[in-house]
Order: sequence, then structure tokens, then C-alpha cells
Amino acid sequence: DGGITQSPKYLFRKEGQNVTLSCEQNLNHDAMYWYRQDPGQGLRLIYYSQIVNDFQKGDIAEGYSVSREKKESFPLTVTSAQKNPTAFYLCASSPGTDITGELFFGEGSRLTVL
Amino acid sequence: AQSVAQPEDQVNVAEGNPLTVKCTYSVSGNPYLFWYVQYPNRGLQFLLKYITGDNLVKGSYGFEAEFNKSQTSFHLKKPSALVSDSALYFCAVRESLGYSSASKIIFGSGTRLSIRP
Repeated sequence: DGGITQSPKYLFRKEGQNVTLSCEQNLNHDAMYWYRQDPGQGLRLIYYSQIVNDFQKGDIAEGYSVSREKKESFPLTVTSAQKNPTAFYLCASSPGTDITGELFFGEGSRLTVL
Repeated sequence: AQSVAQPEDQVNVAEGNPLTVKCTYSVSGNPYLFWYVQYPNRGLQFLLKYITGDNLVKGSYGFEAEFNKSQTSFHLKKPSALVSDSALYFCAVRESLGYSSASKIIFGSGTRLSIRP
């Protein structure tokens, strides 16, 4: 079945360590997004990518990095520069060219910094 | 800048009663509005959207939403609530970023819907 796969589902990190969250989609979508979810704050956009080899900062990009070397993959690295990385991270995709289209979400990755 | 507000953190409804989850928005042009649902520790699932046309939009699981341009609202409704409707609901508005293929969705803070048996 087509969809978005995020891994790992749960991740624990020590302070000062970088971690990478995986996001893979087989929907043939051009656009991919990373959101951070904190209780009571909704979803905040970290990075987005409209096409391969191109990505843009969202509202809270500091302390994060991404790459888009393949259409189906959009990994997110949470660096040690991120001050408060404990959160639920959601990856999404959309066809990209149709701005009326909805987002398709993965199941999320919960990161906890110890 | 575009924004979306969900004024209620929580809505409590008895099973079988009608439910409404409120959403208001602010945009500079025509809005593209969406509702999503999230179950615990899961991703968001699309429920319905308003792009143009009929102000009453029907979606998944018996939900519908009414677009009201004069009140800049897009409230989510269901005639008869089920316990299984208990979840976190997000309203969202899509913003165009200036070039044809670029856009991002802005989400509200979410409303927790609790349906009691």
C-alpha cells in the first residue's frame, strides 16, 4: 500500500547527540514536510521541500537540518544545537503542484532527550 | 500573514448528540481550508476540505463542515457523535508562498473532542 513511513517510532537521545529521523514515501509526491508537535501548540513547520535537491526553512528551523537527495526520502536531523528537542515529529507529503491538495502524514516519531 | 484559530481546547459531548468544533481563519485571499483528526500517538488523517463551491462540505466518518465567508469560520460538525470520534482535531488553512508549486499549511492549536457514553 502507498503511504509514508517514519522511523523510528520512539527514540531516546542524550544531550549533545545528533539524531536522524527517517521519512520515506511511495506516493510519488513532489512535496515533503517536517512538522513538530508539542502539547497545546498544534503543528509547527520545520522544513519543507517542493522538489528533489531543494528545501526551504519553515517557522522553527533552528537546530534542525534536512536533505532531499531522492524524491521518496526526506530525513530530518535534530542537532545538538536544538535547545528543546523533546517532541513528536511528523513527516508529511503532498503532490506539490496542487495547492488545494491535502497533506498525507506518517505515523510520527517521538523523540525524548534524557 | 494567514492564521487559523481554534478557540476551544476541549469539547465534551454525550454520545448521540450533535457536535461542533469551531475554527476561524484569517487570509488575504481565498482560503483553502482543511480538517484533520489525530488519534493518540498517530499521524494526522485528512477529514475534509473546502476549496470553492458549496459552503457545506461532507467528509469522512460522517463529518461535515460549513464555510462561512462573512464570519471567516469553518466549523466542523456531526449530527450524532460516537465514542469513537474522541480524538484531537486540527483545522488548517493553506497559504500560497508566491510561486505556483509552493505552499504550506498553517495549523490551528487543536481541539480535543471527548464523547462520553
